[in-house]
Amino acid sequence: GQSLEQPSEVTAVEGAIVQINCTYQTSGFYGLSWYQQHDGGAPTFLSYNALDGLEETGRFSSFLSRSDSYGYLLLQELQMKDSASYFCAVRDRGTYKYIFGTGTRLKVLA
Amino acid sequence: DVKVTQSSRYLVKRTGEKVFLECVQDMDHENMFWYRQDPGLGLRLIYFSYDVKMKEKGDIPEGYSVSREKKERFSLILESASTNQTSMYLCASRLGTASNQPQHFGDGTRLSIL
Repeated sequence: GQSLEQPSEVTAVEGAIVQINCTYQTSGFYGLSWYQQHDGGAPTFLSYNALDGLEETGRFSSFLSRSDSYGYLLLQELQMKDSASYFCAVRDRGTYKYIFGTGTRLKVLA
Repeated sequence: DVKVTQSSRYLVKRTGEKVFLECVQDMDHENMFWYRQDPGLGLRLIYFSYDVKMKEKGDIPEGYSVSREKKERFSLILESASTNQTSMYLCASRLGTASNQPQHFGDGTRLSIL
């Protein structure tokens, strides 16, 4: 079956850099997306990697390596407001179906 | 900004009841999705619709059905609610089929089945 695995929890301090990994087992997909969800809130879109390599959007960067079945989200200059859950997701090739990762809860400490 | 509105933020129902969760989007999006979110399991797709009156099963469709009579509205139906359907339900919409189009989520409905 298709699955995306993430660490359940990551802790870091304000100002630090943190990497959230996403390893996947899927037969084919269109790109890798990342979503952020604060407690009690709706998931919101952060980034999308269609191709292998690094995509940068402000303090956030996302990376994809299809050959390694691996991606990550990199958060720099961490702020308290970055404390949230982060989900990777792929769209199954040939359908409109999306598969989400298990989610990583990021705690940013002062 | 895209607005996805779910009819209830919190809902409490009894076992065996028929439950309707409503979702409306205001941006003429073609694709709509229903997920349930449980701790440690992430978001799991229940059903999705890629156009009016069209629907496809997701990963966990058992015990659920959907309806999409109008483009802006996607309803999730629990035919006979059971306690294992207690969960957070999230609706999402997406503009079209381009792979870089993001999903836009509603705030969720926290459903408790007693």
